[in-house]
Amino acid sequence: EDQVTQSPEALRLQEGESSSLNCSYTVSGLRGLFWYRQDPGKGPEFLFTLYSAGEEKEKERLKATLTKKESFLHITAPKPEDSATYLCAVPWAGGTSYGKLTFGQGTILTVHP
Amino acid sequence: DAMVIQNPRYQVTQFGKPVTLSCSQTLNHNVMYWYQQKSSQAPKLLFHYYDKDFNNEADTPDNFQSRRPNTSFCFLDIRSPGLGDAAMYLCATSRVSGYQETQYFGPGTRLLVL
Repeated sequence: EDQVTQSPEALRLQEGESSSLNCSYTVSGLRGLFWYRQDPGKGPEFLFTLYSAGEEKEKERLKATLTKKESFLHITAPKPEDSATYLCAVPWAGGTSYGKLTFGQGTILTVHP
Repeated sequence: DAMVIQNPRYQVTQFGKPVTLSCSQTLNHNVMYWYQQKSSQAPKLLFHYYDKDFNNEADTPDNFQSRRPNTSFCFLDIRSPGLGDAAMYLCATSRVSGYQETQYFGPGTRLLVL
């Protein structure tokens, strides 16, 4: 059974204090890994898609990396506006190219000024 | 330049009173999804449409139905809402290709059942 586990569940940082969020997965035949940001009361906002081990993508203060068993979301010098829940998701291995995503439970990031 | 639009953003209904949530998209994606998300939980897929083909998740209650009259619009009907159906309902879209395509989400509709 596909599993996606995110850690930590919650992370509190001071503004400027860099850190990383982890997403570990067990799927047979990874067909992509997605990172989303979700603000309270809003829908998930797409951040990155990673398809193969060794791939890296960056956007402003965020950088996502992928290995064969996990993905990291690195946050460099975070600001209070980076506070949100960060979700990772992988396609269900038994599905089609457009099918169900298995989501992790998310990491709640709080950045204090 | 909103891409996935959901209406209304907030919906209050009474126990057992049918309710319809709507989703529209400007991306011309052929797949549309409905997710349910309860507080502090991950989104849970209810069903999706590939063009006009409807795909229901095995554990989606019969109380939930969906319609997709055209490429741009998709509706979620809750026939007899119970208190346990209070949640955020998220619509998402993606296109079909050889890879697993990104799903883009709308802002969600928060449903309150009284």
